[in-house]
Amino acid sequence: GDSVTQMEGPVTLSEEAFLTINCTYTATGYPSLFWYVQYPGEGLQLLLKATKADDKGSNKGFEATYRKETTSFHLEKGSVQVSDSAVYFCALHLRNSGNTPLVFGKGTRLSVIA
Amino acid sequence: NAGVTQTPKFQVLKTGQSMTLQCAQDMNHEYMSWYRQDPGMGLRLIHYSVGAGITDQGEVPNGYNVSRSTTEDFPLRLLSAAPSQTSVYFCASFLTDRDEETQYFGPGTRLLVL
Repeated sequence: GDSVTQMEGPVTLSEEAFLTINCTYTATGYPSLFWYVQYPGEGLQLLLKATKADDKGSNKGFEATYRKETTSFHLEKGSVQVSDSAVYFCALHLRNSGNTPLVFGKGTRLSVIA
Repeated sequence: NAGVTQTPKFQVLKTGQSMTLQCAQDMNHEYMSWYRQDPGMGLRLIHYSVGAGITDQGEVPNGYNVSRSTTEDFPLRLLSAAPSQTSVYFCASFLTDRDEETQYFGPGTRLLVL
């Protein structure tokens, strides 16, 4: 079945460090890919998305590129801040399969220390 | 536009009690879903609905019932609460059309079953 695999956390970085959170997927069709962020005590919010191969999603300094050849959608940020501390979820949705649910990875907790 | 709202925010139940978690959205989304979030397990889909009068089971449906009598509301019922249902529950609605796919989450309900 369709699935998303994220790197295990937690990830602890110093402020201004470079961030990469790996995400790979398995899908029977052509998915749209998402990164969601969950700040402490809150629900999930869409961070960025990409709907086709080679698309780059970006928001708040975060970027991820849809790589069909490696079935990956790694999240990157050049310089993290303490306020980026959160749990990050990679997800996919098969656009042409009707109203099917999003498939989420297990999440990666990021802690940024000053 | 309130987005996705959930009530209550917190609830403590005794084993065997029943309760309903409320979820409402004012964005006229056809698709709604319920997830539970447990440490180390990420998000697991409980039930979802692709429109009024239509519901389907997700990954972990046992012990939960849903109904969808209106587009706006999607309540989740615990028939006889068990300690294993202690979790944080998130409701979400999903816009899917050709040009836009975004899942919106409520703020969550934290449930403790004693």
